[in-house]
Amino acid sequence: DAKTTQPPSMDCAEGRAANLPCNHSTISGNEYVYWYRQIHSQGPQYIIHGLKNNETNEMASLIITEDRKSSTLILPHATLRDTAVYYCIVSLGDKLVFGAGTILRVKS
Amino acid sequence: DAGITQSPRYKITETGRQVTLMCHQTWSHSYMFWYRQDLGHGLRLIYYSAAADITDKGEVPDGYVVSRSKTENFPLTLESATRSQTSVYFCASSGDSFTYEQYFGPGTRLTVT
Repeated sequence: DAKTTQPPSMDCAEGRAANLPCNHSTISGNEYVYWYRQIHSQGPQYIIHGLKNNETNEMASLIITEDRKSSTLILPHATLRDTAVYYCIVSLGDKLVFGAGTILRVKS
Repeated sequence: DAGITQSPRYKITETGRQVTLMCHQTWSHSYMFWYRQDLGHGLRLIYYSAAADITDKGEVPDGYVVSRSKTENFPLTLESATRSQTSVYFCASSGDSFTYEQYFGPGTRLTVT
């Protein structure tokens, strides 16, 4: 059963912020939210993860709602190289279950 | 080179043949994983290993065998390949815990004819 819901695709203009939503309404208190991405034909790449607080690293920011039922991955200045499938995953820490993800197309 | 590598990158084999896919990582990560990726199914976990000589089944283990005699290597063997095992196979590793930042290899594209 899917634990997360993501839109199948999104477009973003180059240089603009890309905001990718994820719903995880059944998340349990000790489950983390992970984001990975997969650029065409490559292995998935870890982006960021969080439990309750918002997180930021050199790649992206993760905003988790107070009730933890949804989150948003923000790529602050999207480039063409950010075109990829983005996966939102919730996990207790036992394994990663990849869904279909969101295809993000960054357009010039 | 540092990182995680997979070999071969491409393989064509016949039904019934035994095939071994290799995975090697240079970080001394404790955890290693094998996934397969198919259209319509996304990435699915086949087997994983928490340390040398410790392995466990994932979501789709049937038809596959793994071993881990050394920390850095985690080979995946298809004992008798079937057409349904045509897929792209990804190996991954992580250091501190099961799912904390997994690093993925470039993948092996396997075709079973």
